[in-house]
Amino acid sequence: SQQGEEDPQALSIQEGENATMNCSYKTSINNLQWYRQNSGRGLVHLILIRSNEREKHSGRLRVTLDTSKKSSSLLITASRAADTASYFCATAPEGGWGKFQFGAGTQVVVTP
Amino acid sequence: SQTIHQWPATLVQPVGSPLSLECTVEGTSNPNLYWYRQAAGRGLQLLFYSVGIGQISSEVPQNLSASRPQDRQFILSSKKLLLSDSGFYLCAWGGIETQYFGPGTRLLVL
Repeated sequence: SQQGEEDPQALSIQEGENATMNCSYKTSINNLQWYRQNSGRGLVHLILIRSNEREKHSGRLRVTLDTSKKSSSLLITASRAADTASYFCATAPEGGWGKFQFGAGTQVVVTP
Repeated sequence: SQTIHQWPATLVQPVGSPLSLECTVEGTSNPNLYWYRQAAGRGLQLLFYSVGIGQISSEVPQNLSASRPQDRQFILSSKKLLLSDSGFYLCAWGGIETQYFGPGTRLLVL
């Protein structure tokens, strides 16, 4: 079963705008990660946030984690056409060594 | 640097035929290896993972099997494909914090 659930399922924005997507999960986790998948390709790791962290930045990416609400958000600032992709959250459950649970993803389309 | 290969990239197979997908990793030793399946427009479903040669753990009961004959080689197999086996198969290596994915194999069972 999929633990992570992304919201929204799809997002369409223009270049320069910010894109925000959310992920909710059900069980206690060691960490949460965000991945990007371009159409028909493998996933690329973007950023990891551990369960004892609340916010993390990497370039134009900002991730927050609220373990009390079992939710995370990914913000992409100043989006570019190259950011068009599907974005997935993955949770590493406590004691669930390497057995990540992926959500169904948010499909982001950035138009010039 | 580490590289992960998968082949073939695309495969069209008739129902009832056998399957063999291969994944190899370069640039690392004794990696943890994973097979995932992704249905169209969906997330990833973990099928198998391996912590070493000959050590396979299955996550989902199905007509697929996996083997790890060498340290950096991971094979996904089936004796008889079903229509429901169609999907995008991804191999990954890594651990509890990050996983690195191969380019995937798109399988269409007709």
